[in-house]
Amino acid sequence: NAGVMQNPRHLVRRRGQEARLRCSPMKGHSHVYWYRQLPEEGLKFMVYLQKENIIDESGMPKERFSAEFPKEGPSILRIQQVVRGDSAAYFCASSPITGDNQPQHFGDGTRLSIL
Amino acid sequence: RKEVEQDPGPFNVPEGATVAFNCTYSNSASQSFFWYRQDCRKEPKLLMSVYSSGNEDGRFTAQLNRASQYISLLIRDSKLSDSATYLCVVVGWGGNKLTFGTGTQLKVEL
Repeated sequence: NAGVMQNPRHLVRRRGQEARLRCSPMKGHSHVYWYRQLPEEGLKFMVYLQKENIIDESGMPKERFSAEFPKEGPSILRIQQVVRGDSAAYFCASSPITGDNQPQHFGDGTRLSIL
Repeated sequence: RKEVEQDPGPFNVPEGATVAFNCTYSNSASQSFFWYRQDCRKEPKLLMSVYSSGNEDGRFTAQLNRASQYISLLIRDSKLSDSATYLCVVVGWGGNKLTFGTGTQLKVEL
């Protein structure tokens, strides 16, 4: 029973390029969450999606960042025109439903490095 | 004030010791509470849920005090493999986004 799958594990981009991070939730999970962990900091919520819908994007930077979870295929976190400050570990989590005491299960993360 | 506050440590303890971590949260409307464990900035892994009645899982005991907005984790008979960062996590109403503390680092030594 595969867990949350993220790829790539490591991604290197030059300033100004685009970064695409992918996340496939656990089987049977329809809720996807993206978190970012900057160096020496804790994890911060970015966005919560269900299939074809963004439910809560209160943690997303206003510019350059977007997320989607299409009907078919993985969830994508897209960062346009990357800058050095985007270097971080990006974790995806999934859950079957929301509600009290529904834990989220995390993927291995994508480590993004900006040159 | 941070939404979730933890002592960053590190806590250096000998093998076999009992160690306790505390966490406070600011939003009294928070609904769910968890402890996660993170090794060397790998993915966070769920350790246990936290209930007002307290819950125990082997050597680990978690407790929630809603009146004081305080969460604790007790680890008995520490093992070397317990060395990690322990993340206190709080979930608001509606149960979607997790709010993480910055973590408490534990180092168990021989």
